[in-house]
Amino acid sequence: DAGVTQSPTHLIKTRGQQVTLRCSPKSGHDTVSWYQQALGQGPQFIFQYYEEEERQRGNFPDRFSGHQFPNYSSELNVNALLLGDSALYLCASSLGGSRGAAPQHFGDGTRLSIL
Amino acid sequence: DAKTTQPPSMDCAEGRAANLPCNHSTISGNEYVYWYRQIHSQGPQYIIHGLKNNETNEMASLIITEDRKSSTLILPHATLRDTAVYYCIVRVKNYGQNFVFGPGTRLSVLP
Repeated sequence: DAGVTQSPTHLIKTRGQQVTLRCSPKSGHDTVSWYQQALGQGPQFIFQYYEEEERQRGNFPDRFSGHQFPNYSSELNVNALLLGDSALYLCASSLGGSRGAAPQHFGDGTRLSIL
Repeated sequence: DAKTTQPPSMDCAEGRAANLPCNHSTISGNEYVYWYRQIHSQGPQYIIHGLKNNETNEMASLIITEDRKSSTLILPHATLRDTAVYYCIVRVKNYGQNFVFGPGTRLSVLP
């Protein structure tokens, strides 16, 4: 039973560029949430996708956008990259739009470095 | 902001029980307590969650006080592989609610 998979594992970009990160949820899950984790800090919620729509958003600028596909996989896009966007980007999946008490399951993330 | 407070770090001897405390004095009646851990260079790993009763699974036990204002995660026989940052999170059982992570407790299991 495959867990949450993310690609790529590492990525290096320069300021001003755009990046796309990808996530495949755990088998049977239909909801994907994205988090940003700066070095030494806990993960910070970016947004959640359920039924191909953004359902909830954290305190992140519009440069951060996403998409969910009919197969429940998801992409995170970041435009006009800043040095401060350097972080570990985590994808978490769950079932039913986070209704109920079911936990989210996380992938191992994409390490994004901005030069 | 996270609704929980945890000690920044703890040590535990290998083979002994690790007891990780968490304070959530403002918890509401419909909020669950979740525990995750994060080993270096990996994503957070789900451990256990509960509402008001004590819970146990193959990884750990969760003890929630009767007033629900605090809880303790117990790793019964800590190993070196349990060295990680442990996060205690409260979350409403509600549509669209996501996890708000604090800085967690860095547990070091010592040989």
